[in-house]
Amino acid sequence: SQQGEEDPQALSIQEGENATMNCSYKTSINNLQWYRQNSGRGLVHLILIRSNEREKHSGRLRVTLDTSKKSSSLLITASRAADTASYFCATLNSGNTPLVFGKGTRLSVIA
Amino acid sequence: DAGITQSPRHKVTETGTPVTLRCHQTENHRYMYWYRQDPGHGLRLIHYSYGVKDTDKGEVSDGYSVSRSKTEDFLLTLESATSSQTSVYFCAISPSHKGYGYTFGSGTRLTVV
Repeated sequence: SQQGEEDPQALSIQEGENATMNCSYKTSINNLQWYRQNSGRGLVHLILIRSNEREKHSGRLRVTLDTSKKSSSLLITASRAADTASYFCATLNSGNTPLVFGKGTRLSVIA
Repeated sequence: DAGITQSPRHKVTETGTPVTLRCHQTENHRYMYWYRQDPGHGLRLIHYSYGVKDTDKGEVSDGYSVSRSKTEDFLLTLESATSSQTSVYFCAISPSHKGYGYTFGSGTRLTVV
């Protein structure tokens, strides 16, 4: 069953605006990861944040993690049409099981 | 994607036939995974491998088997394909269980008619 649940399911914004996606999960984690998937392609790893970290940056991406609320957010600043894709959070639980993925957020950036 | 290839990219097969999907990597990563992606379900783990001949089941393993006789190849077999196995199948690799993201292949779109 899904561990992470992304919110919203779909998001449409104008180019240049910021996009925020949220992920909630249920059990203790070792780390949380965000992936991007362009239509018809495989997933691409964006960023990994460990359970003892609260915030991480990578270029225009900012990820936060709140383990007390079991939630994470992905912020894409100054969005571009090329950011149009589905974004997935995935959690690595404290046990030995592989990554568990959420159902994703579909982001549309309109030029 | 660099270092990982899936074959075939597309396949149409009939109900009841066996089907084998191949994942090949050139990264010498220890861990390999098979996921399926369906609308409304996201990605779900089928099987994974943590070394040659070492495999384990995932969330949706019924009707699937895997084999890993070499580090670079991880095969997924649908023993007797059913329409419910129509899906997009993704292979992923990782050098370690923790601390690294996964690298995904481009996927195999399988249609069972």
